[in-house]
Amino acid sequence: DVKVTQSSRYLVKRTGEKVFLECVQDMDHENMFWYRQDPGLGLRLIYFSYDVKMKEKGDIPEGYSVSREKKERFSLILESASTNQTSMYLCASSSGADSSGNTIYFGEGSWLTVV
Amino acid sequence: SQKIEQNSEALNIQEGKTATLTCNYTNYSPAYLQWYRQDPGRGPVFLLLIRENEKEKRKERLKVTFDTTLKQSLFHITASQPADSATYLCALGLSGYSTLTFGKGTMLLVSP
Repeated sequence: DVKVTQSSRYLVKRTGEKVFLECVQDMDHENMFWYRQDPGLGLRLIYFSYDVKMKEKGDIPEGYSVSREKKERFSLILESASTNQTSMYLCASSSGADSSGNTIYFGEGSWLTVV
Repeated sequence: SQKIEQNSEALNIQEGKTATLTCNYTNYSPAYLQWYRQDPGRGPVFLLLIRENEKEKRKERLKVTFDTTLKQSLFHITASQPADSATYLCALGLSGYSTLTFGKGTMLLVSP
């Protein structure tokens, strides 16, 4: 089974802090994603990566950056956390093979509260 | 602009009945459509994939239909159980693209 592991389940950070959310997948997937999920707004794509050191902006990249130094690891960085970034963050991966229909495998989520 | 619509109101049904959830889309020609299940506080879990040239797909008690003329997918759970209570998300994808576009999901509540 594919496993996507997010390092922190719950975090509380102060406004202005730099926040790192780490994610590791164990299936040698090409693609990795970061989403945030808020009530009434659904899943929104922040950034994705289709290869090591490659990244693409999603729908809401402002205030975030990402890093993919190794194939299995994809980090989301909040340079200066703000209260409107309080949310559940979901990391995900996919093989990128069209034959799989780009099925996405999600982690358990990281609940971030910025105070 | 592309739009995916799922019923925002929760669907309440009784155990043993068939649950039917709807996913409509506009301004989109997806190559495939997927359904995911999400439990409270957890990440979504993939359930079924159906491609544009397929009309129907089944997996145990689950059935998905895909009508590209109506721009609609229906997701059925037969003989529903309280354990089926969750939010169900549909997602659309284009051939050659890595990302999916997700609907906001419909909550299903199955009462005993």
